[in-house]
Amino acid sequence: DIQMTQSPSSLSASVGDRVTITCRASQSISNYLNWYQQKPGKAPKLLIYAASSLQGGVPSRFSGSGSGTDFTLTISSLQPEDFATYYCQQSYSTPFTFGGGTKVEIK
Amino acid sequence: QVQLQESGPGLVKPSETLSLTCTVSGDSIRSYYWSWIRQPPGKGLEWIGYIHYSGSANYNPSLKSRVTISVDTSKNQFSLKLSSVTAADTAVYYCARLRGYDILTGYLFDYWGQGTLVTVSS
Repeated sequence: DIQMTQSPSSLSASVGDRVTITCRASQSISNYLNWYQQKPGKAPKLLIYAASSLQGGVPSRFSGSGSGTDFTLTISSLQPEDFATYYCQQSYSTPFTFGGGTKVEIK
Repeated sequence: QVQLQESGPGLVKPSETLSLTCTVSGDSIRSYYWSWIRQPPGKGLEWIGYIHYSGSANYNPSLKSRVTISVDTSKNQFSLKLSSVTAADTAVYYCARLRGYDILTGYLFDYWGQGTLVTVSS
């Protein structure tokens, strides 16, 4: 199985801050990397697919980059509705696997 | 608008079989693939498996010996059965649409159900 490791596991930030979350794969996955946002009690929501493609309807302050084993999700200016947990997920091979999550909290 | 809704018992006894159904509306189940994902309370996400309307399925090896996913095209539904459950199977279970976005191996989960909590306890 491909292991996905996210860092940090949590962070505190203020509205307006630039936030970067990292995801590392245990082997090269090309650009087959997706990012999801999950709010408490809700299902995950797709933000980014293919490492850097923005899903329709997702604000442009979200962006993704990377290929191979190292990927980042960036929120350019954190908004109140962005406080949530973020997960990366690889689709390079089954079993599809997710990172452990990064919880973004209010400072 | 595509919508998915999980249904099934919220409480299952240890050693019994967990059974859930996902009803799809706004899309034909003959399109795309359909998947189950679970999340233990306070923990991360685990992919369980997916199915195609043809009946072709792919399961997580960690659960493969206990999992069956099936599809009912007449009802636009797909189902999950997980046998011999233990407390470790207590989780929120999500159904989701799995869509391919390139000709190789690019897949994403773009529509999700709201999730249903299944507790394994006697």
